[in-house]
Amino acid sequence: GQSLEQPSEVTAVEGAIVQINCTYQTSGFYGLSWYQQHDGGAPTFLSYNALDGLEETGRFSSFLSRSDSYGYLLLQELQMKDSASYFCAVGVYNQGGKLIFGQGTELSVKP
Amino acid sequence: GAVVSQHPSWVICKSGTSVKIECRSLDFQATTMFWYRQFPKQSLMLMATSNEGSKATYEQGVEKDKFLINHASLTLSTLTVTSAHPEDSSFYICSAGPTSYEQYFGPGTRLTVT
Repeated sequence: GQSLEQPSEVTAVEGAIVQINCTYQTSGFYGLSWYQQHDGGAPTFLSYNALDGLEETGRFSSFLSRSDSYGYLLLQELQMKDSASYFCAVGVYNQGGKLIFGQGTELSVKP
Repeated sequence: GAVVSQHPSWVICKSGTSVKIECRSLDFQATTMFWYRQFPKQSLMLMATSNEGSKATYEQGVEKDKFLINHASLTLSTLTVTSAHPEDSSFYICSAGPTSYEQYFGPGTRLTVT
């Protein structure tokens, strides 16, 4: 089966850096994706890692360690608009884009 | 990024009626699309994989006779909730992507069954 674990909620202040961890157990793993979802909206794609290491996209970075079945999303220079739910999702090999989502981490950014 | 649209964005229907939700990829072709359901404050639950020109693949526990999926073209998949009941009220979201690892989500359809 597939399972992902991430913290249910994280709180941080504007301008700070926050890291959201994700551990997974899955067969046929081929990549870890991160999505952001604001209340009432649809998820938006943030980042993807297929290989070990760090991927940087502006204020957001994502890291993957395949040997540890672990990844994280790093958000820098936090802004109020970053308050949202963040989901890690595992891509399953040979299933054409099928994603298994974690339960989501609700990030609250305080002034 | 790629654009995926959904229609309608919200719908209210009476118990026992059927509702059709459309998912379109606007600037790319998608042989595969995915349908998810999301309850408030919960994660996305994959319902089924929609395959162009063939039958959909349903996840365990999802009733295929209740949630009919048709993927008639490379840019359109439809989900029909048949004989809807209040417990079917949820946020339904589709996804598609130009590559297998980068999925883009439609804006979602909020279904309320009264």
